[in-house]
Amino acid sequence: KQEVTQIPAALSVPEGENLVLNCSFTDSAIYNLQWFRQDPGKGLTSLLLIQSSQREQTSGRLNASLDKSSGRSTLYIAASQPGDSATYLCAVPRGNTGKLIFGQGTTLQVKP
Amino acid sequence: SAVISQKPSRDICQRGTSLTIQCQVDSQVTMMFWYRQQPGQSLTLIATANQGSEATYESGFVIDKFPISRPNLTFSTLTVSNMSPEDSSIYLCSGQENTEAFFGQGTRLTVV
Repeated sequence: KQEVTQIPAALSVPEGENLVLNCSFTDSAIYNLQWFRQDPGKGLTSLLLIQSSQREQTSGRLNASLDKSSGRSTLYIAASQPGDSATYLCAVPRGNTGKLIFGQGTTLQVKP
Repeated sequence: SAVISQKPSRDICQRGTSLTIQCQVDSQVTMMFWYRQQPGQSLTLIATANQGSEATYESGFVIDKFPISRPNLTFSTLTVSNMSPEDSSIYLCSGQENTEAFFGQGTRLTVV
C-alpha cells in the first residue's frame, strides 16, 4: 500500500531564504508526482507535475525534483516571499488512475 | 488547464440536514473525484464520480451518506446527508486533464 510522507510538518523562515520541502513515497512504481499549494480553508492549486520519466520540473522560483529509486521528491523554493506562506502538499496517483494519495503537507510561514 | 467552479464555498448547517455541493468544469473531463479534508488533516478520497453510472466509493464511504451525481462530463454533485458535527470538513472536487489533477476551490462545511 502506497504511503506518502512529508517532512517537515511546519517550517518558518525569514523572507528571502531558499528552502526545500521533502516528500517521500513507499512504492517507487509511480506514474507521476504532483505538488500543490493550499491556502487556509481553500482548494488546491497545482504547482508542478513531474512524470515518472522526468528528473525535475521548474516553474518560476519553484523547482521540483524526483528520484523514483529512492522514493523521494523535493520542492525547492528560491528567494521565499511572505506570499509563499501556505500549506504545500505532494501527491502520487494510485496506479495509473487519477486517484491521488496525499502526504500530510508542510505548512510554510515566510516572515517579512 | 481546465477550471472547476465549486459552490458553495462555505456553509454552516444544522445537524440532521443535508447539503449538496456542485462542481462545474469549463471543459469535458473523463475523470472526476470527490475528496474530504478533515480539520488539520490531509485529503482523503471519497469516491470517483462516473458519468452515466453509479459512483465508485472508497472504503469507509457509502452512497447513502454521500450520494454523488455525474449527469455529464462537465458537472458533478456531492450530497452530505444527515449531517453530524463529525462531517465538518472541507470537501473538494477534482478532475484530471491528461495526467494532471486540478481542483475546485473547496467547500468549507461546518455542522452545528
